[in-house]
Amino acid sequence: DTGVSQDPRHKITKRGQNVTFRCDPISEHNRLYWYRQTLGQGPEFLTYFQNEAQLEKSRLLSDRFSAERPKGSFSTLEIQRTEQGDSAMYLCASAKGGFETQYFGPGTRLLVL
Amino acid sequence: RKEVEQDPGPFNVPEGATVAFNCTYSNSASQSFFWYRQDCRKEPKLLMSVYSSGNEDGRFTAQLNRASQYISLLIRDSKLSDSATYLCVATPDSWGKLQFGAGTQVVVTP
Repeated sequence: DTGVSQDPRHKITKRGQNVTFRCDPISEHNRLYWYRQTLGQGPEFLTYFQNEAQLEKSRLLSDRFSAERPKGSFSTLEIQRTEQGDSAMYLCASAKGGFETQYFGPGTRLLVL
Repeated sequence: RKEVEQDPGPFNVPEGATVAFNCTYSNSASQSFFWYRQDCRKEPKLLMSVYSSGNEDGRFTAQLNRASQYISLLIRDSKLSDSATYLCVATPDSWGKLQFGAGTQVVVTP
């Protein structure tokens, strides 16, 4: 257990529904990252926060995706109008700073039917 | 072309043997490099950082060749518990986001 928690651990939804995932980072970590991992691939960067500021978003993050980190603590990732291609594991990681070790949460597995 | 490329394997290794594998990265400006380990259906966990001079952590040795843009990992005296997918990682800029390869699967057999 790295100290990063994610909720829910599993989510099954129907195409077109909205889903929201939560990540609670290690408490003193300023950086929070979201990644997505599909079967047989490594994690791909989606977005990251320095405290409450969202500093970069990947081109993978379409308009249907939005992430927030109010008050610089926990973060949420919302996917609107889910598509089957959104099925993946969504990983959250936190770090003290830019080049510090990133600690990953257990991930949220999303299956879109 | 992926930014970080790895041989997917699997590398089937007898217990006690040595196994080595590489990855290549395309962005010459990449600043930091790591090996992460990922067990089936689990999150990635940092195995070790990779330094220009090469570094060792127990049975694991990592090397970085900036001129050829490749990173290697060597595992000596393989244990059954070393069976996992090993993810090669580079950071393309100073913001810390990680670029992962697709992973190399290692299977250690009795």
